Amino acid sequence: KQEVTQIPAALSVPEGENLVLNCSFTDSAIYNLQWFRQDPGKGLTSLLLIQSSQREQTSGRLNASLDKSSGRSTLYIAASQPGDSATYLCALPQGGSEKLVFGKGTKLTVNP
Amino acid sequence: NAGVTQTPKFQVLKTGQSMTLQCAQDMNHEYMSWYRQDPGMGLRLIHYSVGAGITDQGEVPNGYNVSRSTTEDFPLRLLSAAPSQTSVYFCASSYTLGAGYTFGSGTRLTVV
Repeated sequence: KQEVTQIPAALSVPEGENLVLNCSFTDSAIYNLQWFRQDPGKGLTSLLLIQSSQREQTSGRLNASLDKSSGRSTLYIAASQPGDSATYLCALPQGGSEKLVFGKGTKLTVNP
Repeated sequence: NAGVTQTPKFQVLKTGQSMTLQCAQDMNHEYMSWYRQDPGMGLRLIHYSVGAGITDQGEVPNGYNVSRSTTEDFPLRLLSAAPSQTSVYFCASSYTLGAGYTFGSGTRLTVV
């Protein structure tokens, strides 16, 4: 059974800092991994989708990497801003199915 | 495009009442899923569908029913509401296996 862990559970940084959020998983037989952002009381917004054949994906100040062999993905946020404050979730499929398994998220606070 | 639309946004039920949470998508996505999000538990899969007429159970299916008569709609029925079903419910859809998911904005349900 796929298990997903996100460390740290919470992170507080000053504005402008570069930061890394971590996601680890137990079953490396995946075909993709998706990073989401969730603002308080809101739904999930997809940030990046990495296919198993890819090593990384970039969107603006965000860069996500995937290392299947070690069961890890990282989300790098450059030059953080207060508007980046949110909970970040990673999700990947259970086995070869469409059943997504989520980590419990990292709550990020960027202080002005 | 409206994406994934969930209604209602908020609902209060009495124990034993039944109701249907609506989910509709206009992206011609084959895959649709229902998740619940609880503090400390993260997001857990309730039911999912890989196409019209095809549904299957997720991690926490008890107390919920689904059907998929059209590609666009995937309603979630609570048969007899219990306080343990107090949660935030999210519907999600995907075009195909590995294409990544789009989430609705959620329904916040309270059972008293």
